[in-house]
Amino acid sequence: DQQVKQNSPSLSVQEGRISILNCDYTNSMFDYFLWYKKYPAEGPTFLISISSIKDKNEDGRFTVFLNKSAKHLSLHIVPSQPGDSAVYFCAALKTASGGGADGLTFGKGTHLIIQP
Amino acid sequence: DTAVSQTPKYLVTQMGNDKSIKCEQNLGHDTMYWYKQDSKKFLKIMFSYNNKELIINETVPNRFSPKSPDKAHLNLHINSLELGDSAVYFCASSRASGRRFFGPGTRLTVL
Repeated sequence: DQQVKQNSPSLSVQEGRISILNCDYTNSMFDYFLWYKKYPAEGPTFLISISSIKDKNEDGRFTVFLNKSAKHLSLHIVPSQPGDSAVYFCAALKTASGGGADGLTFGKGTHLIIQP
Repeated sequence: DTAVSQTPKYLVTQMGNDKSIKCEQNLGHDTMYWYKQDSKKFLKIMFSYNNKELIINETVPNRFSPKSPDKAHLNLHINSLELGDSAVYFCASSRASGRRFFGPGTRLTVL
């Protein structure tokens, strides 16, 4: 049972344009959401996060939007750069549970390819 | 300085063997984790551990056991390796239940 879903396995975007990566979740207990970026042969690295009390968080070229009623979040990257080519994982956390073995649930990832 | 390191990076071994993967973090975090990324690319939690509590994902076979000699290390021991254990294993650490910092991963191949 996938509680965090990234329905697009891959996404191709032209350099300079906006990249939009989507994520849906089913568990209404999730109250903190994170995006991780992963290059081949490396571990995931934290990119940006958002608490459920907000609907938007911005950090430079990266913006995460949260629509709680739709249980949907998205990551916008603008403008997209070649170095953004990587796999992006959406992850969700139930902070009230104190974390624990299942505290952070990942989606399957979306492979973003930035074309020159 | 590497924040979370794992050794080895690659591990190829025969079915039935026992192997260990080491993990060290120099971030002063109090919680460490092991994740498994299988062939379908899902990153799934296996264990979380702080110096007081080990929490095990119930789907993890008991052939897998974490060992923590101190707060900075959480090693993963695997007994009687099976073909299905082939995957990439990531160690991570965090302060309490905060954002995880991941190691580079260990690609385990069981022949």
